[in-house]
Amino acid sequence: ETGVTQTPRHLVMGMTNKKSLKCEQHLGHNAMYWYKQSAKKPLELMFVYSLEERVENNSVPSRFSPECPNSSHLFLHLHTLQPEDSALYLCASSQGARHGYTFGSGTRLTVV
Amino acid sequence: QKEVEQDPGPLSVPEGAIVSLNCTYSNSAFQYFMWYRQYSRKGPELLMYTYSSGNKEDGRFTAQVDKSSKYISLFIRDSQPSDSATYLCAVSFSGGYNKLIFGAGTRLAVHP
Repeated sequence: ETGVTQTPRHLVMGMTNKKSLKCEQHLGHNAMYWYKQSAKKPLELMFVYSLEERVENNSVPSRFSPECPNSSHLFLHLHTLQPEDSALYLCASSQGARHGYTFGSGTRLTVV
Repeated sequence: QKEVEQDPGPLSVPEGAIVSLNCTYSNSAFQYFMWYRQYSRKGPELLMYTYSSGNKEDGRFTAQVDKSSKYISLFIRDSQPSDSATYLCAVSFSGGYNKLIFGAGTRLAVHP
C-alpha cells in the first residue's frame, strides 16, 4: 500500500466504549498529525508527533489519547466520548517544514 | 480574529467558468501557503504550494499570494464538473515540523 491509510473508515460507539483509530504511513515521513474536522469549521489540530515524540497537544480533552509507537504508525485511543466528539478524524504525515501534508481518508466517528 | 478566514460558500458555477477562491490571514509571519482539495468522503489532497509572494501555475490552476495584503487566491480556469469539491487554504511558518493552519473550506459545485 502507498500513502496514508486510516482504519476503520467508519465507527459508531457509545459514550462508555473504548475504541482506537489507527493510521499508517508508507511514505518515510518524519512527522504525523491528528486533525478533527467538523462541519463548517476549520480543521482542528489535535496532536503532532515529530520523530516519534509528541511535540504539540492543542488542549485536547484527556478522553483522546494518542500513541506513536514508531515513525510509521499513529493511534488515537478513545474513551468515554461525548456526542459533540462526532466528526471526521484525519491523520496526516509530512517530511520536514517545507512540504505539505499527505492525508488519509479519515475515520467518520459517530458517538451515540 | 481567526488566523485564516475563508468564505465557506457554497459557490455554484457553470462548466467552463473561471473560479476564484480566496482566503485572508492575520499573521504576517506565515511563509508557506497551500491549497488543498477535498472530495466527499475523502481526506484533503495537496493541490498547490507556494512559498512567499507571487504566482504559481499548474495546468488550469493558479495560486496567488499577496503578502502585503495577507491575501491568497486560487483560480481555476475552464472549470469542470470534476472540480466540484471543497477547497481549503492553509498557511504555515517555517520550522522544525510543519504545523498547518487551515481555513474552513469553500464548497464548489461546477454544473454541466
